[in-house]
Amino acid sequence: DAGVTQSPTHLIKTRGQQVTLRCSPISGHKSVSWYQQVLGQGPQFIFQYYEKEERGRGNFPDRFSARQFPNYSSELNVNALLLGDSALYLCASSPFSYSNTEAFFGQGTRLTVV
Amino acid sequence: DAKTTQPPSMDCAEGRAANLPCNHSTISGNEYVYWYRQIHSQGPQYIIHGLKNNETNEMASLIITEDRKSSTLILPHATLRDTAVYYCIVRLGASGTYKYIFGTGTRLKVLA
Repeated sequence: DAGVTQSPTHLIKTRGQQVTLRCSPISGHKSVSWYQQVLGQGPQFIFQYYEKEERGRGNFPDRFSARQFPNYSSELNVNALLLGDSALYLCASSPFSYSNTEAFFGQGTRLTVV
Repeated sequence: DAKTTQPPSMDCAEGRAANLPCNHSTISGNEYVYWYRQIHSQGPQYIIHGLKNNETNEMASLIITEDRKSSTLILPHATLRDTAVYYCIVRLGASGTYKYIFGTGTRLKVLA
């Protein structure tokens, strides 16, 4: 079975540009979350989506936005990129019954802003 | 938000048990403790989770104190492939809305 897939795996952007990262959850999983991991730190929560609705948002500026599609895949958009946005962006999916189960992480997208 | 505190690094001899401690003194009654590990900046890998009782699976055991203010992850027979950063996480939220609060993790090095 395919796990959580993220694309692209790596990309390089220039300050001020916009970027879109993509995530396909495990088949049957309806919840997708996004995390940012800066080098040397633990992942930080950005968004959670469930059934195409935003269910949670972390302490990130409005330059960060996301959406979930009818097939439960998701996109994370970051506008007006800053050098500090350079990080590993992780997507995690979980099934409907989330109360006592775990989230499965993808391998991440490594974003470098120059 | 509930926070976790872990030692920054630990060493363990191959074949011995690795005991990784975690403090989560501000945890609330309905918040789960999760453990994940991350190898070479890959995506975090799930290990185990629990609420109040001790838990065991094929990878590890989780011991949670009675007051739930701390826990210990036990890898019973560490191998070189267990070298990784281990994160103790408190999962916040209510039904349908959850988020993981990661700490800074413990870098475990298993020595041959």
